[in-house]
Amino acid sequence: AQRVTQPEKLLSVFKGAPVELKCNYSYSGSPELFWYVQYSRQRLQLLLRHISRESIKGFTADLNKGETSFHLKKPFAQEEDSAMYYCALSSGGSNYKLTFGKGTLLTVNP
Amino acid sequence: EPEVTQTPSHQVTQMGQEVILRCVPISNHLYFYWYRQILGQKVEFLVSFYNNEISEKSEIFDDQFSVERPDGSNFTLKIRSTKLEDSAMYFCASNYHQGGEQFFGPGTRLTVL
Repeated sequence: AQRVTQPEKLLSVFKGAPVELKCNYSYSGSPELFWYVQYSRQRLQLLLRHISRESIKGFTADLNKGETSFHLKKPFAQEEDSAMYYCALSSGGSNYKLTFGKGTLLTVNP
Repeated sequence: EPEVTQTPSHQVTQMGQEVILRCVPISNHLYFYWYRQILGQKVEFLVSFYNNEISEKSEIFDDQFSVERPDGSNFTLKIRSTKLEDSAMYFCASNYHQGGEQFFGPGTRLTVL
């Protein structure tokens, strides 16, 4: 069975501070990992995926298979980063359903 | 930029009633999904649909649930006899490539009284 764990329900930082949102996963095969973001009153949207290895809005995430982690990081948080962040796993195969973590609400204070 | 749309945004129904939640995926997408999120809980997969048939469904997706693509644009989720525990936010998603980014709709909030 596949599982995604986001241990922090809430995370509060000050503007300009580094931020790290933790994500651990459990899956026996080779997963594909994503970070989705939901800004206030907006829909879920993809922030980044591990296979693209991009930096979006200053965020990066590295897949660590040894630690089964996919933590999201940004060196200098901005107020507009305040949102709900969901880590998600796709198992591939014949179906690409997403398994989500519970989400972390990030608040960036001025 | 094309978006997934969902109607209605909020549906209130009595327990035991049938509801149909509607989604219009992005027009050239081939894979369609329904997810739900009970208040305070995680987003959970319900069902995926491709080539006019269900490709996978979760344990939640029991006989009370059905999906349909009645025409070339709509993708519907029907709950035959709603229960209190069906109260949740229901999200539709679609993508063009399997494994590609899933594009989500804004959700329908279903309240069962």
